[in-house]
Amino acid sequence: SQWGEENLQALSIQEGEDVTMNCSYKTYTTVVQWYRQKSGKGPAQLILIRSNEREKRSGRLRATLDTSSQSSSLSITGTLATDTAVYFCATFFYNQGKLIFGQGTKLSIKP
Amino acid sequence: DTTVKQNPRYKLARVGKPVNLICSQTMNHDTMYWYQKKPNQAPKLLLFYYDKILNREADTFEKFQSSRPNNSFCSLYIGSAGLEYSAMYLCASSRAGGSQNTLYFGAGTRLSVL
Repeated sequence: SQWGEENLQALSIQEGEDVTMNCSYKTYTTVVQWYRQKSGKGPAQLILIRSNEREKRSGRLRATLDTSSQSSSLSITGTLATDTAVYFCATFFYNQGKLIFGQGTKLSIKP
Repeated sequence: DTTVKQNPRYKLARVGKPVNLICSQTMNHDTMYWYQKKPNQAPKLLLFYYDKILNREADTFEKFQSSRPNNSFCSLYIGSAGLEYSAMYLCASSRAGGSQNTLYFGAGTRLSVL
């Protein structure tokens, strides 16, 4: 079975709050990608972090990567109602040439 | 505005009947993917084409077929739909399929099997 077939986690917070979503992965990787999927649309990449970066920022987004614990996080500061979406991390299986999605987080921002 | 197009957006199929879903991309990407997404689950990779080479996941090998007649188009074919095939089917493309390449997704085709 593929990693990530378990159900999504769900988070519900007030607009303006900060949030951190975590992801753990099972195989060695040097790159983690984070995607966001809004209702009625396909996933769209938000940020890509490499193992030599440890932390990467893009606007209100901050991603971290810890290859020793095989985990990554995505933080959003000052959330907006438009951040309501499902967020997925994804890693690349080098020997098979494919991108596999991890467990996602369904984030709801209450206005 | 997405440059990966999927048709149709909604598809109704009968159990036991075939289903064919279409995807096109205008970015001249080498790699095209098909993922299946069920409610509250992560997208699950079904298969992907790197250029003309088809790679299918082991656990769905016999359930899905695909063709890529040219660089821009890719189809997903189900020979005999079952209730368990009801899901959103997402097509994506990327340049060369490498780990640092972004996947660009279409809006998906929602398949309902009755």
